[in-house]
Amino acid sequence: GQSLEQPSEVTAVEGAIVQINCTYQTSGFYGLSWYQQHDGGAPTFLSYNALDGLEETGRFSSFLSRSDSYGYLLLQELQMKDSASYFCAVGTNAGKSTFGDGTTLTVKP
Amino acid sequence: KAGVTQTPRYLIKTRGQQVTLSCSPISGHRSVSWYQQTPGQGLQFLFEYFSETQRNKGNFPGRFSGRQFSNSRSEMNVSTLELGDSALYLCASSLQEATGQEAFFGQGTRLTVV
Repeated sequence: GQSLEQPSEVTAVEGAIVQINCTYQTSGFYGLSWYQQHDGGAPTFLSYNALDGLEETGRFSSFLSRSDSYGYLLLQELQMKDSASYFCAVGTNAGKSTFGDGTTLTVKP
Repeated sequence: KAGVTQTPRYLIKTRGQQVTLSCSPISGHRSVSWYQQTPGQGLQFLFEYFSETQRNKGNFPGRFSGRQFSNSRSEMNVSTLELGDSALYLCASSLQEATGQEAFFGQGTRLTVV
């Protein structure tokens, strides 16, 4: 089966940088995705890594190390609106995506 | 283009009843996945359909079923509802098979079982 681990909660101040880690165990790994979900809203796609390295999209970056079965989401210049839950998700070549339990990020002024 | 549409948005059912939820994916998307989300929990994978075929199924009882039509619209059905089935049910569509690449989620159907 598949399993993912990510911290349940992270707190940071406005303007800071925060890193949310995700470790996974799976067979047939295809890629690692990150999603953001605000309270009462639908998850929205942030980034996807299939190969090792860093992907940058504005203030958000995502990193993957396939050999370590590890990835992280880096949020820079935190804003209050970044307060949300962040999920990592592993996709496999069998066409199945498994989500982590999510990390609740609280940004304080 | 239109996003993923889920209907209904809210639903209240009684224990023992059955329910059918609908998901219309983004035009051109052939993969539809369904997830259950309960308060404080992550997204639990229910099943994934690609080109009308169920490719994967999560660890849910047989009371949970689904199907996909030729126009890629998908339905999921839950029979003999239990209180524990109260949750937000989300569907996600993607262009290709659910290999973890970009998926677009609908707003979900919030099911309450009383």
